[in-house]
Parts: sequence; structure tokens; C-alpha cells
Amino acid sequence: SQTIHQWPATLVQPVGSPLSLECTVEGTSNPNLYWYRQAAGRGLQLLFYSVGIGQISSEVPQNLSASRPQDRQFILSSKKLLLSDSGFYLCAWSVGDLNTEAFFGQGTRLTVV
Amino acid sequence: AQTVTQSQPEMSVQEAETVTLSCTYDTSENNYYLFWYKQPPSRQMILVIRQEAYKQQNATENRFSVNFQKAAKSFSLKISDSQLGDTAMYFCAFMTSGGSNYKLTFGKGTLLTVNP
Repeated sequence: SQTIHQWPATLVQPVGSPLSLECTVEGTSNPNLYWYRQAAGRGLQLLFYSVGIGQISSEVPQNLSASRPQDRQFILSSKKLLLSDSGFYLCAWSVGDLNTEAFFGQGTRLTVV
Repeated sequence: AQTVTQSQPEMSVQEAETVTLSCTYDTSENNYYLFWYKQPPSRQMILVIRQEAYKQQNATENRFSVNFQKAAKSFSLKISDSQLGDTAMYFCAFMTSGGSNYKLTFGKGTLLTVNP
């Protein structure tokens, strides 16, 4: 069966520090991968999505970047965190077809202090 | 650009009653799928129901059904016989292919509270 792992679950980082959140998927190949941010009391904002290795689409110009070094690995990074980067980050995957549901990781609560 | 709009930030309903959550979307694509997800306090995202854009028949899953109006680009969710466990944030979403490469876009969500 397919599973998605996202870590860490919580993270407190100082302003200006780097960030690396990792997401891996097991049990499938060539998934579509997504990073979302959910700010307090708000919806899911799509940050990045990827349909293959090295293929990254960015939705919102910001302080973050994403990479897909392997088929089932999706990394969200920042060189210097801002206070506004605080939020709940969710990774998700789906197979390459329209009608399939997306499966989400457990999320990472990031607090920038 | 594709957008999803949920105009009701919060709603409440009495247990056993029916509630409808609204959603409108905008896209230039012809082939797409629509979804409703729920996010309970645990924060785990759960698929509630899905609808194919080229199907006129509204999807139904037990107590959950949709009213899909393609011309109006409207996709509302009806929850019948509401239960306390239905309390959650509900997100409308859609996925397109083609030029958007399986982009999955969500609305801002509606917080539904089911009262005893």
C-alpha cells in the first residue's frame, strides 16, 4: 500500500535560519507531488507542485523553493526564514490521473521566532 | 488562472439536519475533476466526494451529495442527517490537466460546526 511520510511534525526556527522539510512517498511511482501552506484560519495555499523529477511549478513568488531530487522525494526549502513563513505545511501526492484523490501527509507546524 | 471560491467562512447546523456548503470555481480548462475534502481537528485531510466535470449526474456518497452546475461553475456540497463527527473544515478543490499539469487547487474552506 502507498504511504506518505512528512517530517518533522513540529519545528521552531529563528528568523534568518534555513529550512528543509522533507516528504517521501512509498508504494507508487511517478506521483504528482504538492506542497501546501495553511496559515491560521485560512485555506490551503498551493506553493509548489511537481509531475516528475526536476520538474517544479511554483505558484506563489516567495521566500521558499522546492526540489524533487528523486521520484518519490519532495523537499521544501528556504535559505532565510521570515516571520511570515510560519504556518502549517502539508505535502500531498496523487497518481497521474485527474480522478484520483490526493493523499496528504501529517503536516509540519512551523513557527518562526 | 484557476480559482476556487468558498463564500462561507463558517457555518453551523443542528445534529440530524441538512446543510449545504457552497463553492464556485473558475477555469479555462474543459477537462477537470472537482472534490470536497474535510479536515477534522486532527488536521488529516480526508476525501469526501468527487465529481467528473463531463458527467451531468451529481455524485453521491452516503449522506454526502453534490449539486454540480457546470455552466454556472458551481459545486455545492450537501450533508444530510448531520452528525457531530461531521464537524470539520471543508475544502472545495479541483484538478486540471493539460496546460496546468494536474494542478490541484483548493478554496479557503468553510468551518462547519454540528451542534448537539
